[in-house]
Amino acid sequence: AQSVTQPDIHITVSEGASLELRCNYSYGATPYLFWYVQSPGQGLQLLLKYFSGDTLVQGIKGFEAEFKRSQSSFNLRKPSVHWSDAAEYFCAVKGYQKVTFGTGTKLQVIP
Amino acid sequence: DAGITQSPRHKVTETGTPVTLRCHQTENHRYMYWYRQDPGHGLRLIHYSYGVKDTDKGEVSDGYSVSRSKTEDFLLTLESATSSQTSVYFCAITREQGLSEQYFGPGTRLTVT
Repeated sequence: AQSVTQPDIHITVSEGASLELRCNYSYGATPYLFWYVQSPGQGLQLLLKYFSGDTLVQGIKGFEAEFKRSQSSFNLRKPSVHWSDAAEYFCAVKGYQKVTFGTGTKLQVIP
Repeated sequence: DAGITQSPRHKVTETGTPVTLRCHQTENHRYMYWYRQDPGHGLRLIHYSYGVKDTDKGEVSDGYSVSRSKTEDFLLTLESATSSQTSVYFCAITREQGLSEQYFGPGTRLTVT
């Protein structure tokens, strides 16, 4: 069975600082991985996805993520955080017909 | 924007009453999903559909049923609502089978008193 672990429930960073959100997955085959962002009261929006090829993928809003098969990880990064990045972030893995989401990491950005 | 709407957007109901939530899409996608979102649990799959009249259970399907009589509509029914079903419910679609990401509706906040 597939699973996703996001070990950090809350993260606080200063505006302009770098950000890394952790994601570990478990899946028996080649994983299809996603990061979504959810602003308060909104649905989820796709930030980026990994299917194959280059292990460093670029997404919207200046985010990137790196797939590391040896560590079963797909961490999300951003070099300089903006106040508008405050939201909840979900990592997800897709198996056959179904997607499993992590429990989310809530990002707070302080001035 | 994947043309997904959910109705109602907010609902308060009493324990034991039936509730139906509607997800409507305008792009005729084959795959549709219902999730619930609760603090500390992320999104959990309730049911999904891979075509008209073709549905299957997710990980938290107890107490829920679904129907899909038309491509564009996917209904989620709570036959007899309980307080544990207080949650935010999201509908999602994928644009193609296999590798595609999901697109989400705006959500329905359901409170069972």
